Amino acid sequence: KQEVTQIPAALSVPEGENLVLNCSFTDSAIYNLQWFRQDPGKGLTSLLLIQSSQREQTSGRLNASLDKSSGRSTLYIAASQPGDSATYLCAVPSSSNTGKLIFGQGTTLQVKP
Amino acid sequence: SAVISQKPSRDICQRGTSLTIQCQVDSQVTMMFWYRQQPGQSLTLIATANQGSEATYESGFVIDKFPISRPNLTFSTLTVSNMSPEDSSIYLCSATVGEKLFFGSGTQLSVL
Repeated sequence: KQEVTQIPAALSVPEGENLVLNCSFTDSAIYNLQWFRQDPGKGLTSLLLIQSSQREQTSGRLNASLDKSSGRSTLYIAASQPGDSATYLCAVPSSSNTGKLIFGQGTTLQVKP
Repeated sequence: SAVISQKPSRDICQRGTSLTIQCQVDSQVTMMFWYRQQPGQSLTLIATANQGSEATYESGFVIDKFPISRPNLTFSTLTVSNMSPEDSSIYLCSATVGEKLFFGSGTQLSVL
């Protein structure tokens, strides 16, 4: 059974710092891995999707990497800003049904001005 | 990409009543999904809704409690029936476009 874990659960950094969020999964046979952002009481916004054949994906100040063999992904945020404050979730499909995602518990990030 | 509109955005309901949540996608999608996020928890899939067939429910969720409709390729509803305080959660609808999963803005439900 696939399990997804995110460390740390919470993170507080001063503005401008570069930071790394971690995601690990127990079953390396994944189709892809997706990173989401969730603002308090809101829905999820898709940030990046990495295919199983890819090593990384970049969007602006965000870079996500994937190491299937070790069951790990990282989300790197460069030059953090207060507007980056949110909960970040990683998720993998439970099977070929890519709409059924197994989510981690999330990392709640606070960027202090 | 897809834009998913969900309503209501929040509601406060009395125990024993039912609430229907509506979800509208700006394009035709084959599968839609309903998730629940209990306070302080991550997301859990309730069911998968395909147009023209009955929804497929995940373990721990039943149709009598969470009936779902999917009348066409852009719309779905989830009803939370006979509510109790334990049903207080954020409910989110979603749809896949390509391999990405897009979400509505969520319905924050509080049951008194």
